[in-house]
Amino acid sequence: ILNVEQSPQSLHVQEGDSTNFTCSFPSSNFYALHWYRWETAKSPEALFVMTLNGDEKKKGRISATLNTKEGYSYLYIKGSQPEDSATYLCAFMNNAGNMLTFGGGTRLMVKP
Amino acid sequence: NAGVTQTPKFQVLKTGQSMTLQCAQDMNHNSMYWYRQDPGMGLRLIYYSASEGTTDKGEVPNGYNVSRLNKREFSLRLESAAPSQTSVYFCAGAGGFYQPQHFGDGTRLSIL
Repeated sequence: ILNVEQSPQSLHVQEGDSTNFTCSFPSSNFYALHWYRWETAKSPEALFVMTLNGDEKKKGRISATLNTKEGYSYLYIKGSQPEDSATYLCAFMNNAGNMLTFGGGTRLMVKP
Repeated sequence: NAGVTQTPKFQVLKTGQSMTLQCAQDMNHNSMYWYRQDPGMGLRLIYYSASEGTTDKGEVPNGYNVSRLNKREFSLRLESAAPSQTSVYFCAGAGGFYQPQHFGDGTRLSIL
């Protein structure tokens, strides 16, 4: 079982604050790192798929970076809005198979 | 577009009953997956199918069987339901290893 950890588990911020959270994964046999956004009562939606060390991805106010050598990825949200409130999941895929191993998620709550 | 469709959305079973959860996708995905989501545990992979005609165990396969009936459909069967299988089940599909996974809306299953 691969160890994928996310921190913090939960985060409360004010509207307008910028925030970031971390995903840690095994630094060996890296294949891909996924980020998903999961709103309450909905299903997870893909944000990014990252495959190369040093990758940076951006979608609107959300961006992510990847360091495969040290085994971490950061997700950044600039100027948080209440609609950003969700659980953010990362998932690691190694080169041994076709499976994603998910972290426990970071639950973000943005107060108006 | 329907995307990934799961049926039923809710189900209550008695211990020992059997049930099949259905999943169908119209996105031409090669790979399909079944996950369960439990409080504090994140998403855990039960079984997956890398392509039509193949299935493989994930992290938590005990008590489940799957069938990849054709490219569109991937079903999950509980032969003898146990209270420990009370969970929310998600089906997902993906075009390939580097592609993001698209999730269905989930099936909330309670076993009494």
